Amino acid sequence: NAGVMQNPRHLVRRRGQEARLRCSPMKGHSHVYWYRQLPEEGLKFMVYLQKENIIDESGMPKERFSAEFPKEGPSILRIQQVVRGDSAAYFCASSRRDSGSLETQYFGPGTRLLVL
Amino acid sequence: KQEVTQIPAALSVPEGENLVLNCSFTDSAIYNLQWFRQDPGKGLTSLLLIQSSQREQTSGRLNASLDKSSGRSTLYIAASQPGDSATYLCAVKGGSEKLVFGKGTKLTVNP
Repeated sequence: NAGVMQNPRHLVRRRGQEARLRCSPMKGHSHVYWYRQLPEEGLKFMVYLQKENIIDESGMPKERFSAEFPKEGPSILRIQQVVRGDSAAYFCASSRRDSGSLETQYFGPGTRLLVL
Repeated sequence: KQEVTQIPAALSVPEGENLVLNCSFTDSAIYNLQWFRQDPGKGLTSLLLIQSSQREQTSGRLNASLDKSSGRSTLYIAASQPGDSATYLCAVKGGSEKLVFGKGTKLTVNP
């Protein structure tokens, strides 16, 4: 029973390029969350998705960032025209359902993005 | 807006010592509180989840307490081992599905 999978684990981009981060949730999980961890900072919520729906994107920067979770395939976090300040670890988590107090989110290993 | 603070930011102890990590949050209207462990270059591992109606949870050498009214939680680690060296993160879940994290406490247990 594989856990949450993220790829690539490390990604290097030059300023102005696009970054695509992928997340495959645990089997049976239909809820996906993306968090960003800047150097020396805690994890910050970015977006919460269910299949084909964005439920909460209150933590997403207004420009250059987008996320999707299609009916088939992994969730994608896309960053257009990357800047050095986008360098961070991006973590994906998944859960079976939104369940109030009872359900935990299971985290993937993260993608470390470095923008040169 | 919920804010989570963890003290201390870093802690170094000799092997075998009992220790306490602290977490405080500003909004007491939470569903649950979780403690995670993060190893360098790795993801997060959930250690303990305390529901808002509970006061504590235990798993092995770990015990987490929750005082919702005062906005505080502690993680107690008994008989620490070098393998416990990691960053420990506290996160609370409020009315939405997102978790709000503290910056973590980096623990080093010296042999």
